[in-house]
Amino acid sequence: DVVMTQSPLSLPVTLGQPASISCRSSQSLVDSDGKTYLNWFHQRPGQSPRRLIYKVSNRDSGVPDRFSGSGSGTDFTLKISRVEAEDVGVYYCMQPTLWPPITFGQGTRLEIK
Amino acid sequence: DVQLVESGGGLVRPGGSLRLSCAASGFNFSTYWMSWFRQAPGKGLEWVANIKQDGSEKNYVNSVKGRFTLSRDNAKNSLYLQMNSLRVDDSAVYYCVREIAARWWGQGTLVTVSS
Repeated sequence: DVVMTQSPLSLPVTLGQPASISCRSSQSLVDSDGKTYLNWFHQRPGQSPRRLIYKVSNRDSGVPDRFSGSGSGTDFTLKISRVEAEDVGVYYCMQPTLWPPITFGQGTRLEIK
Repeated sequence: DVQLVESGGGLVRPGGSLRLSCAASGFNFSTYWMSWFRQAPGKGLEWVANIKQDGSEKNYVNSVKGRFTLSRDNAKNSLYLQMNSLRVDDSAVYYCVREIAARWWGQGTLVTVSS
């Protein structure tokens, strides 16, 4: 199974400041089609997860452009350029490349300082 | 709009059974892989199982193999998860999710396994 490792697990951020979350996979997430399948999700307390980013760097519709994804192979990053209050919650990376099973990182809890 | 509405959760004793349902609308259900994910209280996200468009392929996480059965009825735009021999560690919110890349999620249904 592909192990996904996120860091940090807790991320206190001041409003308006940038934030960055790292996600590393135990195997390369480059598929046989040459594409890399790595997604990012955000989950607010009491809500269902919402996908933010797919295939490393593609924002889903309605996702603010302050969110960006980057990376390749086994190392990936989610960046928030300026954190807003609505960004609190837990962020997960997920790999749907080498499955089954589909696997997630442990989650990174973002809070406002 | 895509809508996924789960039902069937509840309190069950260890060793018992439950059948979860997911009613899909707003998209062509028969053309998508469908999945169940779960989240134990205070824990992270876990993929449980998925099923191909025509039901010909099903995959399960190791911990539920032989106990859970996934099925779908494309005529009714519905997804089902039959859960047998339930264990305490199956307690979680179960989410119905469209496609392998998990673009759309339902609101979840809570399953509690406790004596």
